[in-house]
Amino acid sequence: SQTIHQWPATLVQPVGSPLSLECTVEGTSNPNLYWYRQAAGRGLQLLFYSVGIGQISSEVPQNLSASRPQDRQFILSSKKLLLSDSGFYLCAWKVTDTQYFGPGTRLTVL
Amino acid sequence: AQSVTQLDSHVSVSEGTPVLLRCNYSSSYSPSLFWYVQHPNKGLQLLLKYTSAATLVKGINGFEAEFKKSETSFHLTKPSAHMSDAAEYFCVVSEAISNFGNEKLTFGTGTRLTIIP
Repeated sequence: SQTIHQWPATLVQPVGSPLSLECTVEGTSNPNLYWYRQAAGRGLQLLFYSVGIGQISSEVPQNLSASRPQDRQFILSSKKLLLSDSGFYLCAWKVTDTQYFGPGTRLTVL
Repeated sequence: AQSVTQLDSHVSVSEGTPVLLRCNYSSSYSPSLFWYVQHPNKGLQLLLKYTSAATLVKGINGFEAEFKKSETSFHLTKPSAHMSDAAEYFCVVSEAISNFGNEKLTFGTGTRLTIIP
């Protein structure tokens, strides 16, 4: 079966520290992958999407970057976190016409 | 550009009574529409989707939604609420963003459903 994993589940980081969030999928090959952020009390905002290894598209300018070093691995990074980077980060992958979401990472920047 | 409006930020119903969560959309093309549910500190789970087939869509856990093009609505309903239905619900519209079969999801701001015992 197809599954999607994210880690860590929760993370507390100081302002100015680096960030690395990982998303991996199992049971499929060459998936379309997505990173979303959900700020407190708001809907989800698409940050990045990828159609293949090394292919990243950014939807909004921000303090974050994404990489796809392997077919089923999608990484969200930052060199220096800001307070405004706090939120719930969700990875998703697409199966036919539907996106399915991972369990998410709760990031708190202090 | 597409948009989604969830008309109620918070809905409270008594257990065993009907649930109605309202959603209106705007899209330039024939849209694909989805409802997702999110329990606290959890990822999003797909409830149901409309992709230009039957206008009445049945989903998991007894939920269903009706696509009404004339009203640009996609309201979510359930005949009888259960305590486990308490969660945040998101209405979502999809549009293509590339030539690679990629879609962009635009989310509503969510409706928090509270079930009163």
